[in-house]
Amino acid sequence: DAKTTQPNSMESNEEEPVHLPCNHSTISGTDYIHWYRQLPSQGPEYVIHGLTSNVNNRMASLAIAEDRKSSTLILHRATLRDAAVYYCIPLNMRFGAGTRLTVKP
Amino acid sequence: DGGITQSPKYLFRKEGQNVTLSCEQNLNHDAMYWYRQDPGQGLRLIYYSQIVNDFQKGDIAEGYSVSREKKESFPLTVTSAQKNPTAFYLCASKPGQGSYNEQFFGPGTRLTVL
Repeated sequence: DAKTTQPNSMESNEEEPVHLPCNHSTISGTDYIHWYRQLPSQGPEYVIHGLTSNVNNRMASLAIAEDRKSSTLILHRATLRDAAVYYCIPLNMRFGAGTRLTVKP
Repeated sequence: DGGITQSPKYLFRKEGQNVTLSCEQNLNHDAMYWYRQDPGQGLRLIYYSQIVNDFQKGDIAEGYSVSREKKESFPLTVTSAQKNPTAFYLCASKPGQGSYNEQFFGPGTRLTVL
């Protein structure tokens, strides 16, 4: 199984970029790396996913290391609505504890 | 609107009673999943189904049962054998089993056993 390591918590100031790291040292060569986020008492929401190349969408960017053993979710300008728990999922369907992001005004 | 519905949002049961949580999707997705979430914790996989009339145990299946008689429905029964059933239960679906596809989640059911 791909073991996932994320910081328990991170803080950011509003309108500043945020880089959320994830280590997945045993990921297989064909598993996509997914990121989801979860607000309190809600179901997780898809953010972004990728395989080898860096990916961008309207919500975030995903930077994937060349060896695929780590990835970084980038929120370009954090807003208060981005405060959530962010999950990195290199192994299909398995969620770890995630990173709780706090955004300060 | 397409999506996943879970009902009810809050559910209270007495200890020793079985209870069934509903999950319905109109996204025409083949794969469906059930997760359990305890306070301050991540999601843990209970059961999943890739196709009608077939399902597999996840990481914490003991004390739970499921059925998949229709593509759009994947009910979860919490039996009296589940030692600590109070938790937040989330249902999800995705178009196929491949890791490319994203999961879509329902709003969840918060079960409290008294």
